[in-house]
Amino acid sequence: GQNIDQPTEMTATEGAIVQINCTYQTSGFNGLFWYQQHAGEAPTFLSYNVLDGLEEKGRFSSFLSRSKGYSYLLLKELQMKDSASYLCAVNYNNAGNMLTFGGGTRLMVKP
Amino acid sequence: EADIYQTPRYLVIGTGKKITLECSQTMGHDKMYWYQQDPGMELHLIHYSYGVNSTEKGDLSSESTVSRIRTEHFPLTLESARPSHTSQYLCASSFRAGANVLTFGAGSRLTVL
Repeated sequence: GQNIDQPTEMTATEGAIVQINCTYQTSGFNGLFWYQQHAGEAPTFLSYNVLDGLEEKGRFSSFLSRSKGYSYLLLKELQMKDSASYLCAVNYNNAGNMLTFGGGTRLMVKP
Repeated sequence: EADIYQTPRYLVIGTGKKITLECSQTMGHDKMYWYQQDPGMELHLIHYSYGVNSTEKGDLSSESTVSRIRTEHFPLTLESARPSHTSQYLCASSFRAGANVLTFGAGSRLTVL
């Protein structure tokens, strides 16, 4: 299979920084995505990494290491509205370029 | 403002009924997808399409069927609904070329009694 592993739940405090990790099988890798999904809503696109390194977009950053099959999503200056599930998804070119999603990490931001 | 539309948003229906979940997108995307997601669980791909007259099954077996007669429209049909079909169904689309960024619809939450 193409297991994508991420922690099930995390809790952090408003104003703090949190890092959500994702590991995946490297065979056929063709890009990694992070999506945010609020309860009962559709996922929305946050970031895309295909080369090694850090991509920064405002309070959110995403990092990729292709050799290690590892990515993380970094959220800074946490706000209550950041409470959501964060989905790691990998594009595999040996799966017809379909996205495979991890189970998601449910982040709870506390005051 | 949504560029991908799903109807109905919520549907409660009895066992044995035929249902069609509608999905339309106005972005000119070639590829369209249907995902199934139970509450708090991961998304599973059940159908996808590369373009008109193209339909493929995803990695999760599903008794549903799809059609792609027009680029913008990708309906999903269940001929005979059962309680095991109770779930949220998410439609998505993307361009065929490029990074394959998916845009999702708001979802259709189906409950079969």
